[in-house]
Amino acid sequence: EDQVTQSPEALRLQEGESSSLNCSYTVSGLRGLFWYRQDPGKGPEFLFTLYSAGEEKEKERLKATLTKKESFLHITAPKPEDSATYLCALRYGGATNKLIFGTGTLLAVQP
Amino acid sequence: DTGVSQDPRHKITKRGQNVTFRCDPISEHNRLYWYRQTLGQGPEFLTYFQNEAQLEKSRLLSDRFSAERPKGSFSTLEIQRTEQGDSAMYLCASSLGLAGNNEQFFGPGTRLTVL
Repeated sequence: EDQVTQSPEALRLQEGESSSLNCSYTVSGLRGLFWYRQDPGKGPEFLFTLYSAGEEKEKERLKATLTKKESFLHITAPKPEDSATYLCALRYGGATNKLIFGTGTLLAVQP
Repeated sequence: DTGVSQDPRHKITKRGQNVTFRCDPISEHNRLYWYRQTLGQGPEFLTYFQNEAQLEKSRLLSDRFSAERPKGSFSTLEIQRTEQGDSAMYLCASSLGLAGNNEQFFGPGTRLTVL
């Protein structure tokens, strides 16, 4: 059973067309939900950490929110340079520090 | 640049050969992680160290894989008798290790191709 699911798998937007990416999870005992951006051939770049339902964080055109079952990454007025794969990851359970990643959403923003 | 660095960036090897990768974490970070990523998938956890102690290993880490962090600074990941299924991007990450803070910062990765 998948513990973290991202949707959609791919999203194509026009420049300036706002949208949201979804990360839903089924685990209990969440100890952090993380958003990363990954460009082709590079390592993931850290964006946000969310720890509790109701928490929100913003950075430039990106805003991440968290509920008890899912997180959204809202992209406002995207630009072509926002094109990348966006990954969410979970840390949950007891003493572990590993992250469990989703398969990502591939975002393409066309000028 | 004070980020996580990995060497080499690319490695092409023949099946059956041994390979070793190096990771240098952010200098003040005491936790170091190894992940593996294949095309179209998210990174999968392999193992992690706190200082020089290897505290957790995934079942993905078969007997052919070994990781070390001898002085609590850089780490190496060795794959013995490589197989074509080992072809992937190997990612290293580090974090501060403070209670409640597990923000992991990734390096550029080492892309392994096994022929």
